[in-house]
Amino acid sequence: EAGVAQSPRYKIIEKRQSVAFWCNPISGHATLYWYQQILGQGPKLLIQFQNNGVVDDSQLPKDRFSAERLKGVDSTLKIQPAKLEDSAVYLCASSLDPFPTDTQYFGPGTRLTVL
Amino acid sequence: AQTVTQSQPEMSVQEAETVTLSCTYDTSESNYYLFWYKQPPSRQMILVIRQEAYKQQNATENRFSVNFQKAAKSFSLKISDSQLGDTAMYFCAFMRHTGTASKLTFGTGTRLQVTL
Repeated sequence: EAGVAQSPRYKIIEKRQSVAFWCNPISGHATLYWYQQILGQGPKLLIQFQNNGVVDDSQLPKDRFSAERLKGVDSTLKIQPAKLEDSAVYLCASSLDPFPTDTQYFGPGTRLTVL
Repeated sequence: AQTVTQSQPEMSVQEAETVTLSCTYDTSESNYYLFWYKQPPSRQMILVIRQEAYKQQNATENRFSVNFQKAAKSFSLKISDSQLGDTAMYFCAFMRHTGTASKLTFGTGTRLQVTL
């Protein structure tokens, strides 16, 4: 079974530029999550999708971050404009359903460096 | 808001020995789930073990077991017969399930090094 795919793996941009990350979840997984992991910290949930609808985006900085999952499969996370403090690893995860007994499977992440 | 605290930033254990990683959490919820995740140097997070708060029996998965003390809000991970492949960051996490939202709150992690 293929895992969660993410691209790119690395991205370096200058502050005030925009950037987009892509995630392809495990086939059949209805729930998709985006996490931000700053160096030295645990991942922090940014947004959770159930199919193509947003379930929780309470920790998403909506003035600069946006995310979509138009067809309920792939998802894109965008930052515009980027700030220095956005430097982090952005992890995508998916699960069959949004229940605690459904394991969240994580992708390899995208490491973003903002200069 | 829930908080998860891992007070051991780094730990080291020799191969074949046993090591225990500590985790405490703070919540006013009565129904919740606790997890340990492993993040090897390749960065892909993997679920190690899951514990439902309403179950008194401690969860076990092969060489991995937990000591869940609900009253003390403590959730430690014991790794027996440590192997070189256990070298990784270990994150303790809390989940409160509300309808369709399953938000994981992670601790800051413990870096475990298994040595020969």
